[in-house]
Amino acid sequence: EVQLVESGGGVQRPGGSLRLSCVASGFTFDDYGMSWVRRAPEKGLECVAGLNWNGASTGYADSVKGRFTISRDNDKNVLYLEMNSLRAEDTALYYCVRGRGSGSYEALEYWGQGTLVTVSS
Amino acid sequence: EIVLTQSPVTLSLSPGERATLSCRASESVSITYLGWYQQKPGQAPRLLIYGASSRATGIPDRFSGGGSGTAFTLTISRLEPEDFAVYYCQYYGRPPWTFGQGTKVEIK
Repeated sequence: EVQLVESGGGVQRPGGSLRLSCVASGFTFDDYGMSWVRRAPEKGLECVAGLNWNGASTGYADSVKGRFTISRDNDKNVLYLEMNSLRAEDTALYYCVRGRGSGSYEALEYWGQGTLVTVSS
Repeated sequence: EIVLTQSPVTLSLSPGERATLSCRASESVSITYLGWYQQKPGQAPRLLIYGASSRATGIPDRFSGGGSGTAFTLTISRLEPEDFAVYYCQYYGRPPWTFGQGTKVEIK
């Protein structure tokens, strides 16, 4: 069974930093591209970052480019999202998502339950 | 950036009725990279359709996708009680992998 378990969310002040982690199990981690998708309160879905199976190809939403960094450790089966210069508008539930294939341009097939990030002074 | 516009915003229907949801892209996109998702309150989204028309694993055949170019549709042939939810289309062909704003299918 595919499992994606996120952690690292919490409350942070504007300008601060957080690091989200996602531990994957139930599949061969380095066979798949991965993404982080967020849903802000009362808003829709936004794919903030994605990467391919080995991390060589990455992409970001314009709203987080230059502030967030996605990476992975295929030895540990973990996906990361480093979040810097946080803003109030980054407040959201962040989902770790596995793609259907190995690339960074894949439909989002399996979703974790999410970790909540709140940015507030 | 490709913008996806979904319509209607809300669709009020009864169980057993047919639902047709629209997703329009701001420019022509490859069908390879068009997907549909369902999200219910308190749950993570679920992939329904990928490649514009292929059903994901375990998705009932009452869900079907179609379209090309800038116009895509998700059709639910006969609504079941569990189908009342919010539906999103997504283009994942190049970053940013944009979603539409969603269509809420509610019970009439």
